[in-house]
Amino acid sequence: DAMVIQNPRYQVTQFGKPVTLSCSQTLNHNVMYWYQQKSSQAPKLLFHYYDKDFNNEADTPDNFQSRRPNTSFCFLDIRSPGLGDAAMYLCATSTRLEGQGKEQYFGPGTRLTVT
Amino acid sequence: AQTVTQSQPEMSVQEAETVTLSCTYDTSESDYYLFWYKQPPSRQMILVIRQEAYKQQNATENRFSVNFQKAAKSFSLKISDSQLGDAAMYFCAYRSAWTGTASKLTFGTGTRLQVTL
Repeated sequence: DAMVIQNPRYQVTQFGKPVTLSCSQTLNHNVMYWYQQKSSQAPKLLFHYYDKDFNNEADTPDNFQSRRPNTSFCFLDIRSPGLGDAAMYLCATSTRLEGQGKEQYFGPGTRLTVT
Repeated sequence: AQTVTQSQPEMSVQEAETVTLSCTYDTSESDYYLFWYKQPPSRQMILVIRQEAYKQQNATENRFSVNFQKAAKSFSLKISDSQLGDAAMYFCAYRSAWTGTASKLTFGTGTRLQVTL
């Protein structure tokens, strides 16, 4: 089945130690998103890629970076994690093709713990 | 900017009963999409139902249906014959129909639905 995969599902990192979360998709969608979701809150969009074009949200801290080496993969890099960055990180995809439903498809998320 | 409001942080329903989750939104656009997403505990978010604003007919997917009131900017979700598997956080989301950018979603704060025996 076509899907969005996130690895790892659980990640523990130390305060200030860089960490990378990964996302891959078999849907061949040209748009990929990263969301941060804190406990019992709505997902907050950090940035998205439309093909290779990177689009940062205005309030996303500089501590968060992203890479998309190809259509299938996208990475979220947190350069110096703080305790406030502990959250669930969701990857999602969508397509720009007309008539394709317009919805986003989500991965299962990576729960990040910062110690 | 668009906003989405879900005024019910938590709801409870008995198995086999019907429950309605509320959502209101604010926008100056005339063409857009509305979604209900379901996020079960420790599982991925999945689409429950979608409504195109230009369609007057309310969307229906099996036991799930919406009451879309465009003038009132209201988009409620009705779950009929509730099942234990319906227990989850439900998010209402808005997307502009403008295709000049990626399909960014604006989410509400969510409603946690509990299903009891």
